[in-house]
Amino acid sequence: EPEVTQTPSHQVTQMGQEVILRCVPISNHLYFYWYRQILGQKVEFLVSFYNNEISEKSEIFDDQFSVERPDGSNFTLKIRSTKLEDSAMYFCASDRGKQPQHFGDGTRLSIL
Amino acid sequence: KNEVEQSPQNLTAQEGEFITINCSYSVGISALHWLQQHPGGGIVSLFMLSSGKKKHGRLIATINIQEKHSSLHITASHPRDSAVYICAVPPWGGADGLTFGKGTHLIIQP
Repeated sequence: EPEVTQTPSHQVTQMGQEVILRCVPISNHLYFYWYRQILGQKVEFLVSFYNNEISEKSEIFDDQFSVERPDGSNFTLKIRSTKLEDSAMYFCASDRGKQPQHFGDGTRLSIL
Repeated sequence: KNEVEQSPQNLTAQEGEFITINCSYSVGISALHWLQQHPGGGIVSLFMLSSGKKKHGRLIATINIQEKHSSLHITASHPRDSAVYICAVPPWGGADGLTFGKGTHLIIQP
């Protein structure tokens, strides 16, 4: 069965550095999402992406965050200048629209 | 904004027991998702339902749209069912970011 794949599985970065998290959604899916989960807390929505543009974003998704689908297969989340509080598990998901979302295994981001 | 509440937060049961996890939400929705989060962190979609009941193996999900309530049942529970079970809802109109509950941490003891 096709899967959503995320790389890297674990990223360690110094505070203030830029980080790019990568995702390859399922190929015939149309909607793409990023979520984050701070340790011990619930999963939170960051942003959704459809037709090469952001369709919705949460309050968390401020100017430090950006998303891109550079080549029709990858879907990336960039954090420009990381803060300690950005440490979390970041999940990518995709679906075909009004269907169950398929999640990647996540990238654990640790900011030092 | 939809508020999603789950109960119980933690549940420990013996192998073979019938398990019920509850979810309630505050604003009308088009569908509700049940998800399973493994100890390693990965998230798997179990059900997406908009009315009535769905069954997959030993898992059953029900929803009452009028009462804004859903339940997830596990029959003949097994230690491999141990995981966090999460209820999540989309905004009305559907294909956008989910609002998640805090999850129910289920442990099934042999």
